[in-house]
Amino acid sequence: EAGVAQSPRYKIIEKRQSVAFWCNPISGHATLYWYQQILGQGPKLLIQFQNNGVVDDSQLPKDRFSAERLKGVDSTLKIQPAKLEDSAVYLCASRESFTEAFFGQGTRLTVV
Amino acid sequence: AQTVTQSQPEMSVQEAETVTLSCTYDTSESDYYLFWYKQPPSRQMILVIRQEAYKQQNATENRFSVNFQKAAKSFSLKISDSQLGDAAMYFCAYRSASGTYKYIFGTGTRLKVLA
Repeated sequence: EAGVAQSPRYKIIEKRQSVAFWCNPISGHATLYWYQQILGQGPKLLIQFQNNGVVDDSQLPKDRFSAERLKGVDSTLKIQPAKLEDSAVYLCASRESFTEAFFGQGTRLTVV
Repeated sequence: AQTVTQSQPEMSVQEAETVTLSCTYDTSESDYYLFWYKQPPSRQMILVIRQEAYKQQNATENRFSVNFQKAAKSFSLKISDSQLGDAAMYFCAYRSASGTYKYIFGTGTRLKVLA
């Protein structure tokens, strides 16, 4: 079974630039999560989708972050404009009912 | 709101020895799941073990076992016969059994395995 695919693996941008991350969940997984993991901390949920609907985006900084999951499959997370404090690893995970979440390898973002 | 606390930023263990990683959590829910995830330098979170709150029996997966104390809200991970490949960050996580099913993670414990 193919895992959760994320791209790119690494990204370096200057502050105030924009960036987008892509996630392809495991086939058939209805639930998709985006987590932000700042160095030295545990992952923090940014947004959770159930199919193409948003279940929880309470911790998403909506003035600069946006996410979509068209057709309930792939998802993109965008930051515009980026700030220095957005430097982190962005993890995507997916899950189907009665299973646990499977995580991708993440995208390491560095904002300089 | 639920919280997860890992009070050990770093632990070391000799190869072939046993180590225990600590985790406490806070919740008002009666039904939930607890997990230990391993995160090697590749960054991918790998599920090590899970525990259903309604089960009194502690979960075991090969060399990994947990000590689940529901009343004390404690969930520790024991790694027996430690191997060099066990070196990684370990995260304790909580997930409700209903509602949004989001995962709440602790701050992690870095495990070093000494040859």
